[in-house]
Amino acid sequence: EAQVTQNPRYLITVTGKKLTVTCSQNMNHEYMSWYRQDPGLGLRQIYYSMNVEVTDKGDVPEGYKVSRKEKRNFPLILESPSPNQTSLYFCASQLAGGPHEQFFGPGTRLTVL
Amino acid sequence: DAKTTQPPSMDCAEGRAANLPCNHSTISGNEYVYWYRQIHSQGPQYIIHGLKNNETNEMASLIITEDRKSSTLILPHATLRDTAVYYCIARKSSGDKLTFGTGTRLAVRP
Repeated sequence: EAQVTQNPRYLITVTGKKLTVTCSQNMNHEYMSWYRQDPGLGLRQIYYSMNVEVTDKGDVPEGYKVSRKEKRNFPLILESPSPNQTSLYFCASQLAGGPHEQFFGPGTRLTVL
Repeated sequence: DAKTTQPPSMDCAEGRAANLPCNHSTISGNEYVYWYRQIHSQGPQYIIHGLKNNETNEMASLIITEDRKSSTLILPHATLRDTAVYYCIARKSSGDKLTFGTGTRLAVRP
């Protein structure tokens, strides 16, 4: 089954404790992206990657890092999480270029105390 | 990407057609109209997209006006499971970022 998976689905952590949210897709998609969703603000893009070893900032990249060492994986790293990063996070992937649909993961609900 | 405008909420009766409007008056010639929906806090789900012509798939139909300044998503026989927030997005064919607005919250009544 074609899918985007994220782990963990739920996470409660404390300020300053480094964490990684993993994202994996099995569709051989070049493009992958991370979004965060906050009430009243909709989904906003954090980082994206057009292919292996190619990443770029989205609209709200501060406080986040990403890497793309393999085509299927695109982890989101919070080196020193803060309470304002409490949010619902979604990973997405699609074929690069052209009017293709974007597939979303199930989401990771992160709470930073 | 062009800005889109949608009503904040709508409702319809189960079994009836749900018609969700979207205005995109500044859309450019190479921008597609996409529709996604988000059920509760799940990941957004692709529904349909189109450029100029009307489109239909197993989920919905997309009607785009001739001047391309507005469109309507039609769910022909809404069910309770169609209750969700529906997002209309304008995006260039070569662009990959999706810019989500606040969408339309559709409530399907029994």
